Amino acid sequence: KAGVTQTPRYLIKTRGQQVTLSCSPISGHRSVSWYQQTPGQGLQFLFEYFSETQRNKGNFPGRFSGRQFSNSRSEMNVSTLELGDSALYLCASSLRVQTSTDTQYFGPGTRLTVL
Amino acid sequence: QKEVEQDPGPLSVPEGAIVSLNCTYSNSAFQYFMWYRQYSRKGPELLMYTYSSGNKEDGRFTAQVDKSSKYISLFIRDSQPSDSATYLCATSGGSNYKLTFGKGTLLTVNP
Repeated sequence: KAGVTQTPRYLIKTRGQQVTLSCSPISGHRSVSWYQQTPGQGLQFLFEYFSETQRNKGNFPGRFSGRQFSNSRSEMNVSTLELGDSALYLCASSLRVQTSTDTQYFGPGTRLTVL
Repeated sequence: QKEVEQDPGPLSVPEGAIVSLNCTYSNSAFQYFMWYRQYSRKGPELLMYTYSSGNKEDGRFTAQVDKSSKYISLFIRDSQPSDSATYLCATSGGSNYKLTFGKGTLLTVNP
């Protein structure tokens, strides 16, 4: 079974631009969560989508948004990029049969650099 | 106070050593406890998963949770150079689906 895939793997943008990252979950998985990983803050939860609806949201500004499609694939968008948005963005998928108990499987991440 | 605190290390041990990795957490609502391993330039992979207090063993790995002291541990026996990675503790609880992570401990096992 193929794992979680994320595209692109690397991205370089300049301040003020916007960016869209893509995540394809494991086949059959209906929940997709997004996390930001930085050396200073570690892994921080951005949001979770299930059945095309945002179910949980972390403490990030409104510049960070996402969506999920009917095939469970998800995208996240960051508008008006800031230098501090440079990070590894990780996507995780799970079956979400039972809340909080399902294993989350992570993709390799998208490394975003903002210049 | 961070919800999950983890000593970032780095931790360097000789091959064959027993490794102890630890986290503390502050939120009593956390019920599910996980350890992830992250190799350089890779996403985290789940190593161990524990519900509530107790021990869980899987091969060379043992996870312990003490809810009374809000303490989470991972022990690695007979450590191998291939265990060299960053180890992240994570928790979740209640009805939300958010994982709260420690900052990770960088472990190096020297041959």
